[in-house]
Amino acid sequence: GAVVSQHPSRVICKSGTSVKIECRSLDFQATTMFWYRQFPKKSLMLMATSNEGSKATYEQGVEKDKFLINHASLTLSTLTVTSAHPEDSSFYICSAWDRPDQPQHFGDGTRLSIL
Amino acid sequence: GENVEQHPSTLSVQEGDSAVIKCTYSDSASNYFPWYKQELGKRPQLIIDIRSNVGEKKDQRIAVTLNKTAKHFSLHITETQPEDSAVYFCAASTGGFKTIFGAGTRLFVKA
Repeated sequence: GAVVSQHPSRVICKSGTSVKIECRSLDFQATTMFWYRQFPKKSLMLMATSNEGSKATYEQGVEKDKFLINHASLTLSTLTVTSAHPEDSSFYICSAWDRPDQPQHFGDGTRLSIL
Repeated sequence: GENVEQHPSTLSVQEGDSAVIKCTYSDSASNYFPWYKQELGKRPQLIIDIRSNVGEKKDQRIAVTLNKTAKHFSLHITETQPEDSAVYFCAASTGGFKTIFGAGTRLFVKA
């Protein structure tokens, strides 16, 4: 089945650091990838939709200059949290689908902790 | 905007009993309804899905029903087991566009 790999699984870093998270589709081409943020005991909050070769579409309230998304190829999307602060600490999950009418396949998530 | 409401937020059942989780969606254009199971600190995993041209779908102990008129869909788990304990998310999609997730239901199955 379709596999999505997300790295790193956990990041602990100091305030002000920029952190890059990678999301790869391993056995299929993903023209669209999604980035979610999940707070403890809460649902998945869509941050942005990443389209290969074009600018990401951000959800209302998500700062595009804070959360930089690059979808350079059909198998890789990256999320960079720039100048991260403690309030950016969260669980970030990416997903992708191989066809629009199919379910999304999720990565393992990245737990980001900013000290 | 689009919204998916999910109830209950927490559900506790005895092992062997059935569990039912209900969702309501607002976008009448929604035509695809997946259900995901998420264990603590893990990725959401698809457990069953249903499309708008079908009213019911079953896979072993798991079934999903869809009422398009009322814009309701439900997850039914029979003969629950402790390993069914997790958070379950319903979602609604217009197939090709973004997927809206429910708030989640934390299911506890007591042995």
